[in-house]
Amino acid sequence: QSALTQPASVSGSPGQSITISCTGTSSDIGNYDFVSWYQQHPGKAPQLRIYEVRKRPSGVSDRFSASKSGNMAFLTISRLQAEDEGEYYCCSYAGGSTYVFGGGTKLTVL
Amino acid sequence: QVQLVQSGVEVKKPGASVKVSCKASGYTFSKFGISWVRQAPGQGLEWMGWISPYNGKTNYTQKLQGRLTLTTDTSTTTAYLELTSLGSDDTAVYFCARDRNWFDPWGQGTLVIVSS
Repeated sequence: QSALTQPASVSGSPGQSITISCTGTSSDIGNYDFVSWYQQHPGKAPQLRIYEVRKRPSGVSDRFSASKSGNMAFLTISRLQAEDEGEYYCCSYAGGSTYVFGGGTKLTVL
Repeated sequence: QVQLVQSGVEVKKPGASVKVSCKASGYTFSKFGISWVRQAPGQGLEWMGWISPYNGKTNYTQKLQGRLTLTTDTSTTTAYLELTSLGSDDTAVYFCARDRNWFDPWGQGTLVIVSS
């Protein structure tokens, strides 16, 4: 199972919006609506930001939104804040109780 | 609150085995699977495997088949990861996470260092 493809880095200024893409295949993203997104700060465990393609867990800001089209998934963060900095990972169910992660995208708030 | 608490740092020699624990609390342990994910230094997340505490069913990434064993003890609501024949490329932080087809919450991570 190959890793999902994400851009290595994105950046934006406070108040702006950014979008992170995540490219998979018809065996993972394209076949299941179990795409999730995680934010990780250095030295910490990842934290869930989006599940089932576009759902936000309780307590996650509505500035986080997500979608899916074909074999691609997208995470958008609007009204960027300094606390949004970190590494973002997409993840997709790939059948048979297996999963695949993206390589990660480093978000820098300028 | 739902919480997963993992065991502490492990330092192992090449060829040895390691066993990491993950104690769950705040929910019905048998109701959700547990997945294990590792992160090598400076690298991304790698899904390793999944176990159902309900019936012990497991699924492992092909890359680790034969070296990875996941188990649970429902009496203590604890999940375990055992990895054998350790090599330097197994040096990583190992995370457990409650699995609902997404991972939440995560344990704090266990650093495993493989070094001679």
